[in-house]
Amino acid sequence: DAGVIQSPRHEVTEMGQEVTLRCKPISGHNSLFWYRQTMMRGLELLIYFNNNVPIDDSGMPEDRFSAKMPNASFSTLKIQPSEPRDSAVYFCASSPQGYGYTFGSGTRLTVV
Amino acid sequence: DQQVKQNSPSLSVQEGRISILNCDYTNSMFDYFLWYKKYPAEGPTFLISISSIKDKNEDGRFTVFLNKSAKHLSLHIVPSQPGDSAVYFCAASGLRGNEKLTFGTGTRLTIIP
Repeated sequence: DAGVIQSPRHEVTEMGQEVTLRCKPISGHNSLFWYRQTMMRGLELLIYFNNNVPIDDSGMPEDRFSAKMPNASFSTLKIQPSEPRDSAVYFCASSPQGYGYTFGSGTRLTVV
Repeated sequence: DQQVKQNSPSLSVQEGRISILNCDYTNSMFDYFLWYKKYPAEGPTFLISISSIKDKNEDGRFTVFLNKSAKHLSLHIVPSQPGDSAVYFCAASGLRGNEKLTFGTGTRLTIIP
């Protein structure tokens, strides 16, 4: 199993541009989570899906952030328009029912 | 509102000695606790967990202790090895890990050879 796959690994973009982060969860895992890591707040949950349905998006910072999971093998996190304060490492994780997470390697986003 | 707190951002320990990482939580609904370890440029990986019905769980060099009355847990690593140098995150869940995890801010552990 290849694990949770995130792309791109690094993204540098200009303020105001649209950014799309991608995640392929482990096959058979029915929950998918998007986290953001910053020095000040550590790992904070943005949104999670169960069986492709968004369950809790209370951590999404504002309307500029949106996430989709069109099928069990793919999810996207989109930021439009991006701002410098969005610079962080974004992690995707997946989980089978009743067990802990497996994280991807993350996408380091820099907005200049 | 930080429901899971790791008040020590960093810790340095001599190789061979015991490392103790601490974590406090405020939400009484948490009943499952986990520690994750993170190396640079990698995602966090699961290390050890404990259910609220226990007060200790041991796995090799790693032991997690839970004090429910104090809402405090700790991770003990003994003996500490250079490969243990990483960032350690404490996390909590309302169910056995199949719902969202609430993470702390992490503690960077450095093992000094």
